[in-house]
Amino acid sequence: EDQVTQSPEALRLQEGESSSLNCSYTVSGLRGLFWYRQDPGKGPEFLFTLYSAGEEKEKERLKATLTKKESFLHITAPKPEDSATYLCAVTGANSKLTFGKGITLSVRP
Amino acid sequence: EAGVVQSPRYKIIEKKQPVAFWCNPISGHNTLYWYRQNLGQGPELLIRYENEEAVDDSQLPKDRFSAERLKGVDSTLKIQPAELGDSAVYLCASSHSGEVIKTEAFFGQGTRLTVV
Repeated sequence: EDQVTQSPEALRLQEGESSSLNCSYTVSGLRGLFWYRQDPGKGPEFLFTLYSAGEEKEKERLKATLTKKESFLHITAPKPEDSATYLCAVTGANSKLTFGKGITLSVRP
Repeated sequence: EAGVVQSPRYKIIEKKQPVAFWCNPISGHNTLYWYRQNLGQGPELLIRYENEEAVDDSQLPKDRFSAERLKGVDSTLKIQPAELGDSAVYLCASSHSGEVIKTEAFFGQGTRLTVV
């Protein structure tokens, strides 16, 4: 069974303090790893898809990387508007989209 | 392009009553998902459709939950009768899935169900 573990559960940063969010996964036949952002009371918003180890993608202050066992979401010089819950999900050979529990990020001004 | 549309946004019902949620996926997306999300948790899959076929419903509590996707477009998720533990946010998502490439899923705003 596919599994996704995210750490830490919660992260508090000062504005401008860079950090990384971790997503560890076990999946049979990885077909894609996805990062989402979720604001309170809203559905998850798609950020990135990574397909193979070594792949990297960037969007504004966010950069996602992928190895054979984990993915990192690096946040450079975060701003208060980056505060949200970040969800990691994987799809394997069974085509099932499995999510982790998410990491709640708070950025203080 | 319109995103995934869900209705209603909020629903409060008494336990043992029935409830239904509706989802209209993004046009052209052949895969449709229903997820349940409890507070502080990640989404958990209830059922996945490829076109009109339910290809994964192993996590759907079939004694009280049912779903349908007529004509492979809109979908309805029903709970009858509802229990207190069913209180959660019900999310619908859709994606375009091929044999090799699995594209990202796009989510609706969700329906927040409160059972009292």
